[in-house]
Amino acid sequence: DQQVKQNSPSLSVQEGRISILNCDYTNSMFDYFLWYKKYPAEGPTFLISISSIKDKNEDGRFTVFLNKSAKHLSLHIVPSQPGDSAVYFCAASRGAGGADGLTFGKGTHLIIQP
Amino acid sequence: EAGVAQSPRYKIIEKRQSVAFWCNPISGHATLYWYQQILGQGPKLLIQFQNNGVVDDSQLPKDRFSAERLKGVDSTLKIQPAKLEDSAVYLCASSLGLVDTQYFGPGTRLTVL
Repeated sequence: DQQVKQNSPSLSVQEGRISILNCDYTNSMFDYFLWYKKYPAEGPTFLISISSIKDKNEDGRFTVFLNKSAKHLSLHIVPSQPGDSAVYFCAASRGAGGADGLTFGKGTHLIIQP
Repeated sequence: EAGVAQSPRYKIIEKRQSVAFWCNPISGHATLYWYQQILGQGPKLLIQFQNNGVVDDSQLPKDRFSAERLKGVDSTLKIQPAKLEDSAVYLCASSLGLVDTQYFGPGTRLTVL
């Protein structure tokens, strides 16, 4: 039973363009959502988060959008840069910041092409 | 500020053997988590500590896995005996408190032969 789903295992985007990574969830108790970025042989690195009381959060080139009624969130990266090539994990929690531990999706491998 | 430290980085063992992983969280972080990441999957929470007390261990296979956090700082995760399906990366994370962002260590890659 996968409560957080990332249906695209990989995504290829040209440098300078917008990257859009999608995530769906099934548990309506989830209250807080995060995106982590992971390079090979390293642990996940926190990127950006959003509380369920908001529908958008921006941090530089990264914007996360939340559609609670559709149980869907997306991460937009504009413009995409070569260093953005990594695996991106969507995660959800029932408490702010991950009070009860995080439930992760399987990840999307983003490849930025020059 | 030093990040979450884990050791060893890699471990290869035979099935039925025992293995232990160590984690040193970011200084001052009260909450510590252990996750298991199987190849092709996202990390899965095994156990969560608040200081030296267990908050959630509902997904820890307690017949073979154990974890402790003595003195509320470092933590060890043990598998005894290991099975082939335990091959995974074991990630340790820490946060300042229960409502703060989790920061992950580099992980320990376990291969069970």
